[in-house]
Amino acid sequence: SQQGEEDPQALSIQEGENATMNCSYKTSINNLQWYRQNSGRGLVHLILIRSNEREKHSGRLRVTLDTSKKSSSLLITASRAADTASYFCATDSGGSNYKLTFGKGTLLTVNP
Amino acid sequence: NAGVTQTPKFQVLKTGQSMTLQCAQDMNHNSMYWYRQDPGMGLRLIYYSASEGTTDKGEVPNGYNVSRLNKREFSLRLESAAPSQTSVYFCASSEAAALGEQYFGPGTRLTVT
Repeated sequence: SQQGEEDPQALSIQEGENATMNCSYKTSINNLQWYRQNSGRGLVHLILIRSNEREKHSGRLRVTLDTSKKSSSLLITASRAADTASYFCATDSGGSNYKLTFGKGTLLTVNP
Repeated sequence: NAGVTQTPKFQVLKTGQSMTLQCAQDMNHNSMYWYRQDPGMGLRLIYYSASEGTTDKGEVPNGYNVSRLNKREFSLRLESAAPSQTSVYFCASSEAAALGEQYFGPGTRLTVT
């Protein structure tokens, strides 16, 4: 069963605008990760936020985590056409097997 | 440093045929994973290997077997392919739980007719 659920399923914006995607999950986590997938490619890791962190930045990416609401958001600022991709959240619920559970993803389209 | 490599990139099988998907990583990672991705779905874990010599079932293991050949290689076998196994298959690896991030291969697109 899928732990993370992204919202919205699809998002279309203009270049230069900000894009916000949300992820909700059901059980407690060790960390939450965001991945990007360009069409026809494998997933690429973007950012990891641990359960004791509330916010993390990496370049134009900002991730927040609210463990009380079991939710996370990914903000991409000043979007570019090259940001067009699917974005997935993945949760690590701990244990010694290092398994991740992925959501269904948000398809982001950035129009030039 | 090639990262995670998968072969083949594309494959068409007839129902009942068997095949093995190959995966190798050159990052000295301990853990390796096989996922399948279907349209509109996220990735679903088929099998994983937390360390060399161990394998465990994931969310959707039926119809598949795996072999952790050595630390570098983790193969996925379909013994008798079915149309429901038409999917894109991704292999991934990770170093340790402390890091958590997984590195993915480019995928194998499999069609079963």
